[in-house]
This record gives sequence, structure tokens and C-alpha cells, in this order.
Amino acid sequence: QVQLVQSGAEVKKPGASVKVSCKAFGYTFTRYEVHWVRQAPGQGLEWMGIINPRDVRTNYAPKFQDRVTMTGDTSTDTVHMELSSLRSEDTAVYYCARVGDYGDYHDFWGQGTLVTVSS
Amino acid sequence: EIVMTQSPATLSVSPGDRATLSCRASQYINTNLAWYQQKPGQAPRLLIYGTSTRATGVPARFSGSGSGSGTEFTLTISSLQSEDFAVYYCQQYNDWPPMYTFGQGTKLEIK
Repeated sequence: QVQLVQSGAEVKKPGASVKVSCKAFGYTFTRYEVHWVRQAPGQGLEWMGIINPRDVRTNYAPKFQDRVTMTGDTSTDTVHMELSSLRSEDTAVYYCARVGDYGDYHDFWGQGTLVTVSS
Repeated sequence: EIVMTQSPATLSVSPGDRATLSCRASQYINTNLAWYQQKPGQAPRLLIYGTSTRATGVPARFSGSGSGSGTEFTLTISSLQSEDFAVYYCQQYNDWPPMYTFGQGTKLEIK
């Protein structure tokens, strides 16, 4: 069955970078784009961007344009999201999510990765 | 950026009753609207896509609709069960280039 399995929790200092991975199982990796969404503690969902694993084209939310890089590896069916210049406000759970068959909604989600930014 | 506004922020309903959640888009999004349910400590779960299509495995008590204007949307949960008390988010996926914004969420709590 379809699963997205994310890497484990991270603790980073302000100014550092973090790279979160998301490994796909149970479907043809290159057929579906993958989104990244984050959720700060006690807050709502925030869309960060999208990557097409087939041609590695990306679109990023303007808020993250200068700090985020999304990449894909077809040899391991894995997408990565790297966020640089971390600040305390980046403390959040980061989710990857696959697009659906009929549009860019998110039908399957990873379990989430907690990134804590603290000095 | 398309702004999605959900109302109310919190809805208190008794088990067995009906809940109606609203979502408004700041501009036309056609029917490109999804609803998600999120419980504490869990990833969101897709309930509805394309304004009114239930995702696989979603019970029939969940239904989505739109006013036809492409800006006003409703999630209705008939006969609430204990497992339905959660936070619900709407999301538009119409914008191009992609900028797929979420509403701020409605917390559905037990009355």
C-alpha cells in the first residue's frame, strides 16, 4: 500500500540548515508530485512547496523561496526538503504529502518530522 | 495569494447531531477545494477533494458542497460520532503558479 516514511526528529541551532527526507513506497515514484507542508506547535497547516520527482521541477511558496530546496532521487524513491538559515520560528512538524489522482490535493501523508530550532 | 477563511474557529456539537463547517476563498477557485481532518499527534487525513468527492474509506456521513460561486464551501458531518471530534482544514489547490493555501482550521469539540 502507499506509504510515505519520513526521517527522524532533528534539533538544530539558529542559522543552521536541516534536511528532511521522505521515502515513497507502494506506487510509481515518478508519477506523482510531492508537497511539503509544515505545522508549528499549536498552529495550522502551512504549504511550503511542491516537487515533481520525474523532472525535479519545483515551485516554492514565496515565503520560503530564498531558504528552501526540494530535491528528488529516483534511485531510492526519496524526496528531500532542505531549509536553511533556521530561526526559532521554523520549529515545526514538517510533512511530505503526495498529490492525488485528480488534482493537487494531498491524499497520502508522511508521519511528520519534528524540527526544533533552539540555541 | 488566495486567502482561505474558515468559520467558526470552534464548533461545539453534541454526539449524534449535525455539524456544518464553512470555508471561504478570497477569489474564485472553481471546485479545487479539499477538506482534511487532523487529530492530535497525527498527520492530516484527506476527507474530501474536488469540493464534494469523498476520499477512499471516508464514511458517508461526511459530505462536501459548494455554493456554485467558486468561493463558498461547506463540510457537513451528519450524526457526529466520537471519533469525528478533531480539527478540520480546508485547502485550495487552484492557484497557479502553485500556492496552495490552507484555512486556519475549525476545531470541532464535544458539547
